Amino acid sequence: ELKVEQNPLFLSMQEGKNYTIYCNYSTTSDRLYWYRQDPGKSLESLFVLLSNGAVKQEGRLMASLDTKARLSTLHITAAVHDLSATYFCAVGGAQKLVFGQGTRLTINP
Amino acid sequence: DVKVTQSSRYLVKRTGEKVFLECVQDMDHENMFWYRQDPGLGLRLIYFSYDVKMKEKGDIPEGYSVSREKKERFSLILESASTNQTSMYLCASSTFRGSFSGNTIYFGEGSWLTVV
Repeated sequence: ELKVEQNPLFLSMQEGKNYTIYCNYSTTSDRLYWYRQDPGKSLESLFVLLSNGAVKQEGRLMASLDTKARLSTLHITAAVHDLSATYFCAVGGAQKLVFGQGTRLTINP
Repeated sequence: DVKVTQSSRYLVKRTGEKVFLECVQDMDHENMFWYRQDPGLGLRLIYFSYDVKMKEKGDIPEGYSVSREKKERFSLILESASTNQTSMYLCASSTFRGSFSGNTIYFGEGSWLTVV
């Protein structure tokens, strides 16, 4: 059974700092997704990672995938308040995704 | 843009009532999903469907059923609502078509259900 674990679950950081969210999964899988969710809103797709060593970047967010370690990271560079949200990783194929618990990120001025 | 529309954003139902949550997508996607989201548990898959009239159980199907009579519509049914089904429910859709690398899963806005 595929299990996905994120850490930390809660993260409070200062603007301008860097930090990393980790996503570990238990079995080999097709692809890994990162989603963002604002309070009371739906999930917005950030990245889809398909192969070992894949790296994708959008603004201050960078995601990477190590399939051998079954680990993905979401790195935040020089955080700004607008990045405050809950971030989910999810693993699986087009027909079924298993989600991590989510990381609630709060960025303070 | 893909649009996944959930008809009810907020519902309050009584224990024992039958509840219907409706979801419509406008991109001709083959796959549709229902998840529930609870704090600290992430999203958990209830049911999914990869074609009209087809359905597959997810990780937590107990207490739920689904209906997919048309490709664009996927309904979640709570036959007899209970307080432990108070949650946010998210519908999603995806497709097999197009480039493999471009595939993603699109989510609706969510339906907040409170069972009292």
